[in-house]
Amino acid sequence: GNSVTQMEGPVTLSEEAFLTINCTYTATGYPSLFWYVQYPGEGLQLLLKATKADDKGSNKGFEATYRKETTSFHLEKGSVQVSDSAVYFCALSTTDSWGKLQFGAGTQVVVTP
Amino acid sequence: GAVVSQHPSRVICKSGTSVKIECRSLDFQATTMFWYRQFPKKSLMLMATSNEGSKATYEQGVEKDKFLINHASLTLSTLTVTSAHPEDSSFYICSAPTSGRIYNEQFFGPGTRLTVL
Repeated sequence: GNSVTQMEGPVTLSEEAFLTINCTYTATGYPSLFWYVQYPGEGLQLLLKATKADDKGSNKGFEATYRKETTSFHLEKGSVQVSDSAVYFCALSTTDSWGKLQFGAGTQVVVTP
Repeated sequence: GAVVSQHPSRVICKSGTSVKIECRSLDFQATTMFWYRQFPKKSLMLMATSNEGSKATYEQGVEKDKFLINHASLTLSTLTVTSAHPEDSSFYICSAPTSGRIYNEQFFGPGTRLTVL
C-alpha cells in the first residue's frame, strides 16, 4: 500500500533560519507528491506539488524536489519567517487512486522572532 | 483557486444526538468529495469518498451507519454523525478535487470542530 513518512516535530527555529522537513514515501504506481500547510485555526492549503520524477515544486520561498531514486520529497526554505509557523503535511496520490490523498503525520513548525 | 466551504465551523452537541456537517464547492462542480477526520496533533484520516448520485465508499474501519454521507448535488456533500458520542469529537474536514487536473489537486474546506458532551 501507499504510505508517507515525515519527520516528527515540533521543529522550533529562529526567524531567518533554514528549514528542512524530511518526507519519504512508498507507493504503487506513479505518485504525485504534495506539501500542504495548515495554519493555526485554518484548513489545509496546497503549498506545492510535483507530478513526476525530478520535478521541483516551489511556492512562497518553499521548495521540494521529487526524488524517485530515494523516494523522497523533502521540503526546504532558506529563510523562515514567524508567519511560516504552521503544521506541514506531506502527501501523495497515485494514478490508481484518483483524488485520494495519503498523508504523512504532519510536522509542526514554530518560528520564533 | 477553487473554494470549498463547510458549515458549521464548530458544533457542540449532547451525546446521543445527530449532527449534520455540510461541505460545498462554491465555484466549481465536484462529482467526488472526500471526508477526513483529524485528531489533535495527528494527521488526517480519510473516512470516505462521497460520490454524486451514488453511494459513498467508506475506508476500512469506518462505520457507514455511524457516519452517513449524502452527495445531494454537484456542489454539496453532507456528513451526518448519528447518535454521537464523546469519542466522535474531532475535527472533520472535507475536500474536493477539481476535474480536469492531471495532478489531482484537492481543495480543502476549513473544517468543522465537533464536540460531543
